Amino acid sequence: AQKITQTQPGMFVQEKEAVTLDCTYDTSDQSYGLFWYKQPSSGEMIFLIYQGSYDEQNATEGRYSLNFQKARKSANLVISASQLGDSAMYFCAMRDLKAAGNKLTFGGGTRVLVKP
Amino acid sequence: EAQVTQNPRYLITVTGKKLTVTCSQNMNHEYMSWYRQDPGLGLRQIYYSMNVEVTDKGDVPEGYKVSRKEKRNFPLILESPSPNQTSLYFCASSGGTVYVSPLHFGNGTRLTVT
Repeated sequence: AQKITQTQPGMFVQEKEAVTLDCTYDTSDQSYGLFWYKQPSSGEMIFLIYQGSYDEQNATEGRYSLNFQKARKSANLVISASQLGDSAMYFCAMRDLKAAGNKLTFGGGTRVLVKP
Repeated sequence: EAQVTQNPRYLITVTGKKLTVTCSQNMNHEYMSWYRQDPGLGLRQIYYSMNVEVTDKGDVPEGYKVSRKEKRNFPLILESPSPNQTSLYFCASSGGTVYVSPLHFGNGTRLTVT
């Protein structure tokens, strides 16, 4: 069964600094995708970045980058130059070939608060 | 703009009064799904659809119905809502190869059943 673990329930970061959000995963499948989502206080779920299990390079998307360490089964999100608008809940999620209902399995989330 | 549109955004209703939450996507995605999000329980899949006229139960389907008569629409129906269905609901869609495709979520529907 798929499992996602986010060990940081919450964290503060100073504006303009970088922050790393931890994510570890467990799957028996070789083919899987890892995703990060942002959920601001308004509630919507915003897709940020994706990393495939066969991708050799770490994914980047603007200020977001994904530190993918396959052997360690970790997929940490790095947000560079934090902005006040980055304050939100962040979820790591995974989909693999065997996922029942092709569903995303989510971690428990990390709440980020950016301080001015 | 590519998007998943859910309506309504907020809904307050009473126990037993049938309701429908609409969901529409304009990305020609074959796969669509409904999730509910509850504190401490995270996001759980309610129903999903692999294509038109193909739907199946997710992890928490009791008390819900869905239909997929057209590719773009995937409404969620609560025939007799109960207070334990008070939750934040998300519709989502994805296209292409499943495990490499992100789910695109609608803005969510906050449902309160009194």
